[in-house]
Amino acid sequence: DQQVKQNSPSLSVQEGRISILNCDYTNSMFDYFLWYKKYPAEGPTFLISISSIKDKNEDGRFTVFLNKSAKHLSLHIVPSQPGDSAVYFCAASAMDNFNKFYFGSGTKLNVKP
Amino acid sequence: GAGVSQSPRYKVAKRGQDVALRCDPISGHVSLFWYQQALGQGPEFLTYFQNEAQLDKSGLPSDRFFAERPEGSVSTLKIQRTQQEDSAVYLCATGTSEYEQYFGPGTRLTVT
Repeated sequence: DQQVKQNSPSLSVQEGRISILNCDYTNSMFDYFLWYKKYPAEGPTFLISISSIKDKNEDGRFTVFLNKSAKHLSLHIVPSQPGDSAVYFCAASAMDNFNKFYFGSGTKLNVKP
Repeated sequence: GAGVSQSPRYKVAKRGQDVALRCDPISGHVSLFWYQQALGQGPEFLTYFQNEAQLDKSGLPSDRFFAERPEGSVSTLKIQRTQQEDSAVYLCATGTSEYEQYFGPGTRLTVT
């Protein structure tokens, strides 16, 4: 039973436009959320995080939005660049089991030049 | 080295063989995680160490899976009597706290 879901396996965006990657979760105990980026043959690298006390966190071109009532988070990349092409995973953990992270299945982003 | 390293990078095992996968953490990182990533899926939590203590092994799928970190640094994930369903990429991640994870490149295990 997947507690974190990324329903879009792939997304294609033109360079310079906005990329929006979505993630839904089912466990209302989750209070910390992260996005990772993964290139082929490498491990995931941390991108940005957000705790449940916030609804937005921004870091340069990357912004994560959290909608707790909808149990939904999204990652916005603007402007998108070809180097952003990778697989993006969202992950979540709960305060009562903070070391256990649940990952979505990933969305493959392709940014076209 | 600067990052988390894992060895071997690729491992082919015949069904029934035992395998040992190694993770070398970033120096000073007290937290260490093992994940299993099946094809087309996200990483799935296996186990967590804080220094040498294995604080959570709830994700280990069966008693054929065993992990250790005897001196609080290098960790080994051992899989006994491998089965085809064990074929996956095994990822190690380390950090200075439970909230921080730097991933290694993974070991791709193929059981034939």
